Amino acid sequence: EVQLVESGGGLVQRGESLRLSCAASGFTFSSYSMNWVRQAPGQGLEWLSYISRSSTATYYADSVQGRFTISRDNARNSLFLQMNSLRAEDAAVYYCARISPESGHYYLDVWGKGTTVTVSS
Amino acid sequence: EIVMTQSPATLSVSPGERATLSCRASQSLSDKLAWYQHKPGQPPRLLMYDVSTRATGISARFSGSGSGTEFTLTISSLQSEDFAVYYCQQYNNWPPITFGQGTRLEIK
Repeated sequence: EVQLVESGGGLVQRGESLRLSCAASGFTFSSYSMNWVRQAPGQGLEWLSYISRSSTATYYADSVQGRFTISRDNARNSLFLQMNSLRAEDAAVYYCARISPESGHYYLDVWGKGTTVTVSS
Repeated sequence: EIVMTQSPATLSVSPGERATLSCRASQSLSDKLAWYQHKPGQPPRLLMYDVSTRATGISARFSGSGSGTEFTLTISSLQSEDFAVYYCQQYNNWPPITFGQGTRLEIK
């Protein structure tokens, strides 16, 4: 079964850091580009970051550029999101999501169940 | 950045009826548009991609149409499990990948 499982969420103070992980199984992780997407309470989906199959390309939303870093370890079938200088507005459910393998078709075909990040002052 | 605008924000429809959800892009997308269904406590689920191709396991009650900047998701004969929030997403010009703000489909 194709599966993505996020972990690492929790309660942090404003300005602190947190590292999210996403464990992939049931597919050849190294063959897929990956993303992080979040949903703040009462809000819609917000794309955060992309990483290519071999980590040669990474992209970020303006809202997290310079504070968040996406990375992956293909040997461990894992995706990561290092989040620094957390703000109140970063409180959300964070999802990892797989990008379709079809070239040029960047829709998200598999999603994890999400991990919740809470930021307190 | 391509801005995606969905309408209406909330749609009230009775079970068994048809629902029509709209999505407008600020620039032409060719056919690079996807739709997702999102229920509380669950991850988003891919419904459609390339405007009108159903994802694996998606009921034929779901159909997508449109081109350029105007797109529609139609759900025929609504079932109880269809009531959720629906998002469109463009992937024609990125980064960033952008989503619409969502349409909440509720039981009338």
